[in-house]
Amino acid sequence: DTEVTQTPKHLVMGMTNKKSLKCEQHMGHRAMYWYKQKAKKPPELMFVYSYEKLSINESVPSRFSPECPNSSLLNLHLHALQPEDSALYLCASSQMDQGGNQPQHFGDGTRLSIL
Amino acid sequence: GDSVTQMEGPVTLSEEAFLTINCTYTATGYPSLFWYVQYPGEGLQLLLKATKADDKGSNKGFEATYRKETTSFHLEKGSVQVSDSAVYFCALTDRTGGYQKVTFGTGTKLQVIP
Repeated sequence: DTEVTQTPKHLVMGMTNKKSLKCEQHMGHRAMYWYKQKAKKPPELMFVYSYEKLSINESVPSRFSPECPNSSLLNLHLHALQPEDSALYLCASSQMDQGGNQPQHFGDGTRLSIL
Repeated sequence: GDSVTQMEGPVTLSEEAFLTINCTYTATGYPSLFWYVQYPGEGLQLLLKATKADDKGSNKGFEATYRKETTSFHLEKGSVQVSDSAVYFCALTDRTGGYQKVTFGTGTKLQVIP
């Protein structure tokens, strides 16, 4: 059982649609992450939130808009996506730790297909 | 910048065979090292970790030792099972502003046949 819950598990949308991906954790972690994973590739970091503030945006196109409404929730708003945005989107969380010793806890992801 | 190199896959083994997946890293600081596993249709799970030189991480029969002198963190298991079939990612994190920025290797797919 994963402790990071992502919804929906699958999403098919057209290029003009607006949708949102949701992520929730109740482990008290104050760092949360969005990743994009293409087939047979490692996850690519998109965004990092620490203490509900955006800490890293890895030059992600503005058609992806993250939001962290509270310490347990992380959203990714999608608008006007392109076919190449089809991928598995993973959410993760971790404890804050200056030493870099904490593992990340991943959800099972949302499989996104753009028509 | 930091980087992780792991052996190309796929690796195909018979059940009960010995497994080694090689992983080497480059980092400017003092990284912590991790192995994550991804089963089909799932997210990544932490398999084991080591936070300083000579530490050995172990879990579910898997082991890896943090070797600073060879900058390596090879994954081993003495006897693999069909249920170990998955993709294995070697990864590191370095000192940051508190969040954990992970550098992943490319992943090695393991297939265990009965």
